[in-house]
This record gives sequence, C-alpha cells and structure tokens, in this order.
Amino acid sequence: EAAVTQSPRNKVAVTGGKVTLSCNQTNNHNNMYWYRQDTGHGLRLIHYSYGAGSTEKGDIPDGYKASRPSQENFSLILELATPSQTSVYFCASGGDRVEQYFGPGTRLTVL
Amino acid sequence: QQKVQQSPESLSVPEGGMASLNCTSSDRNFQYFWWYRQHSGEGPKALMSIFSDGDKKEGRFTAHLNKASLHVSLHIRDSQPSDSALYFCAAPSSNYNVLYFGSGTKLTVEP
Repeated sequence: EAAVTQSPRNKVAVTGGKVTLSCNQTNNHNNMYWYRQDTGHGLRLIHYSYGAGSTEKGDIPDGYKASRPSQENFSLILELATPSQTSVYFCASGGDRVEQYFGPGTRLTVL
Repeated sequence: QQKVQQSPESLSVPEGGMASLNCTSSDRNFQYFWWYRQHSGEGPKALMSIFSDGDKKEGRFTAHLNKASLHVSLHIRDSQPSDSALYFCAAPSSNYNVLYFGSGTKLTVEP
C-alpha cells in the first residue's frame, strides 16, 4: 500500500522560531501536497509540488515556504512561527487524476 | 468562499441506519468528485470517486452525482460504529492535480 510518513508527529514551538515539517513518500508519485486542518475549515492547501525542484502556492501560502529536494521528500518551513499557525498539518502524495494518499499528520503548537 | 460546500456539519444515526451526506459545488468546471473519510487521529483516506451522473455503489457506500445541479451525495447503509468519522467531499482543479476539499461532515453512529 502507498505510504506517506511525516515527522515529527508532535511539535511545540515558540513564537518567532523556525519550524520544519518533513514528509516522505515511497509511492513514486510526482505530486506532493501540504494541508492544514482546522475545525470548521476542513483541509486547506498550503503548498504543493509537481516534482523535485518545484513548489507551487496553494490557497493559504502566507507565512509558509516549501522545499522539494527529491521525488520522495517534501518539507514545509515556517520561518517565523506565530500562534495562528497552531494546527494539524497533513502531507499527501498523488499522481495525476488519482487519489491522494495522506500521512498521519503533525500536530503543531506555537506558544 | 469555499468551492465545495458540505452539509450537514454533523450527523448522528443509529447502528444499522442510513446516513446521507451532501456536497454542492460553486464551480461548474468540476468534472468529478471524491469522497474521503478520516478517523480520529489519522490522515484522510479516499473512499471512492464518481465521474458520471447517477449512482456508484461500493459495498455499503453509494455515491450519487447530478452534474446539472452540481450536487453529489454519499449514502451509507447499515451504518456501523466503525463508520464514525469525518467525511470530506473533494473536487479537482482544471488540471486535475489539486483537490478542493469541503469543510467536512462529522458522522457519529450510535450503538
């Protein structure tokens, strides 16, 4: 079965600090995605990538950067974390016109 | 405004009952829809997709699509406590590489 892993699973950060969330997929999918999930908002797309070296802005990219150094890895970077970025973050991978496979999520708390 | 709207926000049905979830779109360009399910503490997982008008049945789950009214529904017959989860409707962008998710319906199946 398709596999997407995320690290860390839980993270507590301080306001103004830098946070990096990592994602790895073994599905050989071209596309990878970062979402955040907040009650009442469902899943909102932050950044996505079509392949190694590419990143695209999603619906809510402000305050976030992304990096896709290889087919397998996709990182989400918060350069200056703020309490409003406290959320659950999901990474997903998918091919064209097929389902997306999600990781288990990272719970981030910014104090 | 979200491109995909779901109703109701929450739903409670007795074990063995029928659960009906609804989804409408504001974008007539959407060609098909996905239903995803998310159990507590996990990432979302695809249930089924529907491309054509009418019904698509997979086990106890039936999706119904009406492209003219931009409405898709999911019906779960003989609901089980294990069906208790958050259900998302999603539709792809015009290049099929991005999914737009609704805000979800929380289903509780009471034993």
